[in-house]
Amino acid sequence: EAGVAQSPRYKIIEKRQSVAFWCNPISGHATLYWYQQILGQGPKLLIQFQNNGVVDDSQLPKDRFSAERLKGVDSTLKIQPAKLEDSAVYLCASSWGAEQDGYTFGSGTRLTVV
Amino acid sequence: EDQVTQSPEALRLQEGESSSLNCSYTVSGLRGLFWYRQDPGKGPEFLFTLYSAGEEKEKERLKATLTKKESFLHITAPKPEDSATYLCAVQAPGGYALNFGKGTSLLVTP
Repeated sequence: EAGVAQSPRYKIIEKRQSVAFWCNPISGHATLYWYQQILGQGPKLLIQFQNNGVVDDSQLPKDRFSAERLKGVDSTLKIQPAKLEDSAVYLCASSWGAEQDGYTFGSGTRLTVV
Repeated sequence: EDQVTQSPEALRLQEGESSSLNCSYTVSGLRGLFWYRQDPGKGPEFLFTLYSAGEEKEKERLKATLTKKESFLHITAPKPEDSATYLCAVQAPGGYALNFGKGTSLLVTP
């Protein structure tokens, strides 16, 4: 089975610019997550989708971050405008549901804001 | 608020030198405790889920155990390919999201 695909792998932008990340989950997975992993930290949930509806976005900085999941498949995460502290790896993961066998993560997008 | 604390932050072992990683947690009603392995430049890879105190799971040289306050990941006779960051996460009732610790960076030298 194909894994979770993310692009781009790396991105370098200047502060105050905008950036978008793309995620294609495993086929048929209803639940999709975006996590932020700052260097030396564990992943932190930004947003969770169930099909194309938002389940949890309580930790998403909504003044600058937005995410959508059109048609319940692919998802995009956008940052506008970016700040230096947004430098991190952005991980996408997907699962059938409660997923007692854990989610499947993509390899992530490493964002550097200079 | 759910909290997950992992120790040590970093661990260096000789090949064949067994040891344990610790994950202590506070959560109101644990739904599941997860262990993941993360290699540099990659996303976390699922290892185990534990649900109740006393439960144990094994996979090759790894064995995970769970008590009411902490979980241990025991590594028996590790090999250099076991070098990675090991992440612990808890899942609280009412949601699927995972709350991760900072991880333990393990280096196994030949």
